[in-house]
Amino acid sequence: AQKITQTQPGMFVQEKEAVTLDCTYDTSDPSYGLFWYKQPSSGEMIFLIYQGSYDQQNATEGRYSLNFQKARKSANLVISASQLGDSAMYFCAMREAYNQGGKLIFGQGTELSVKP
Amino acid sequence: DGGITQSPKYLFRKEGQNVTLSCEQNLNHDAMYWYRQDPGQGLRLIYYSQIVNDFQKGDIAEGYSVSREKKESFPLTVTSAQKNPTAFYLCASSVGGMNTEAFFGQGTRLTVV
Repeated sequence: AQKITQTQPGMFVQEKEAVTLDCTYDTSDPSYGLFWYKQPSSGEMIFLIYQGSYDQQNATEGRYSLNFQKARKSANLVISASQLGDSAMYFCAMREAYNQGGKLIFGQGTELSVKP
Repeated sequence: DGGITQSPKYLFRKEGQNVTLSCEQNLNHDAMYWYRQDPGQGLRLIYYSQIVNDFQKGDIAEGYSVSREKKESFPLTVTSAQKNPTAFYLCASSVGGMNTEAFFGQGTRLTVV
């Protein structure tokens, strides 16, 4: 069964510094996609970045990058130059290509607080 | 504007009553999902549907039911069999396929008293 683990319940970072949010996953499917979402206090879910299991390069989207280490089954989110508006919950998610019929599952989340 | 609409935003019900949460999308997406989120917790999958007239149980389907009679609509019924229904419920949709992100509604906060 697929599984997502985020081991950091809460993280603090100083404004303008970089921060890494950890995500490990477990799957037997050779083809899968990994996603990161941001959830501000308003509750909306905002898609940040995607990484496919066969992608050769790490995904990047503006200040967000994904440190994908396939052999270790980790997909850590790196936020560069943190801003106060980055304070939110961050969720890692995975969808397998063949198993589980397209099920999209999420980790427990990491609450990021950016200090001025 | 295309998007996903969940209604209502806040819902109060008495214990023992069934309640239906609405989710409508006009993005022409095939796949739709329902998640439950408890305070400080992650999203847990209740039900999902890859195509009209078909749906699968997620990890916490007990006490919930869904239907997918139209592509645009995926209502969730919280039945009286759900022992602890008070939670934040999120609906999502996606084009389908491994690499497509899910788009989320604004959520419905259900409180059972």
